[in-house]
Amino acid sequence: QPVLTQPPSASASLGASVTLTCTLSSGYSNYKVDWYQQRPGKGPRFVMRVGTGGIVGSKGDGIPDRFSVLGSGLNRYLTIKNIQEEDESDYHCGADHGSGSNFGYVFGTGTKVTVL
Amino acid sequence: QITLKESGPTLVKPTQTLTLTCTFSGFSLSTSGVGVGWIRQPPGKALEWLALIYWDDDKRYSPSLKSRLTITKDTSKNQVVLTMTNMDPVDTATYYCAHRGMALFDYWGQGTLVTVSS
Repeated sequence: QPVLTQPPSASASLGASVTLTCTLSSGYSNYKVDWYQQRPGKGPRFVMRVGTGGIVGSKGDGIPDRFSVLGSGLNRYLTIKNIQEEDESDYHCGADHGSGSNFGYVFGTGTKVTVL
Repeated sequence: QITLKESGPTLVKPTQTLTLTCTFSGFSLSTSGVGVGWIRQPPGKALEWLALIYWDDDKRYSPSLKSRLTITKDTSKNQVVLTMTNMDPVDTATYYCAHRGMALFDYWGQGTLVTVSS
């Protein structure tokens, strides 16, 4: 199964941009990744799915246009432009692996985003 | 509007069996392609997928926990139940249920914290 690697923290000044990275382990470059936002004390919120061609499907409910994704090689990126205080959250990536009876789902360790 | 809410004990003793219920609204678990999954998060740690049940009663489990987990559904009550046997302090975590639609975990509950301690 793939391993998803995320840096533990990132920060950006209010109104600036920040890009988060989720790196798939070798051999999984064709995998799609899901991004989730988790505000303090809340359950995760689906942001969007990303593959090498960019967004797959639609954004989650209420996700602002400031959020966008890209995919390249083993990396899946989530960019937040014009970052707001409300964007200060933990961001997790996750991915399906296998199918049928071998289905599984794996998560990265999460990145804590601080708005300065 | 899809909502999910987890319920169950907040404290269980080591070796006991944990039973959690996910009560949902805004969708039916008899609709083709729909599922409900369970995911947990130990304090300060990463999310971990546990189990998933589909509209047709097909079930999937995390290989590392498969021997301890059972997931069932009651379509008429709009509920999904997860049982985990032989609880250990390392199982202390917030447990979430999530709607699986269009092959996405697109709606999540608020979670319920379960502490395992004697």
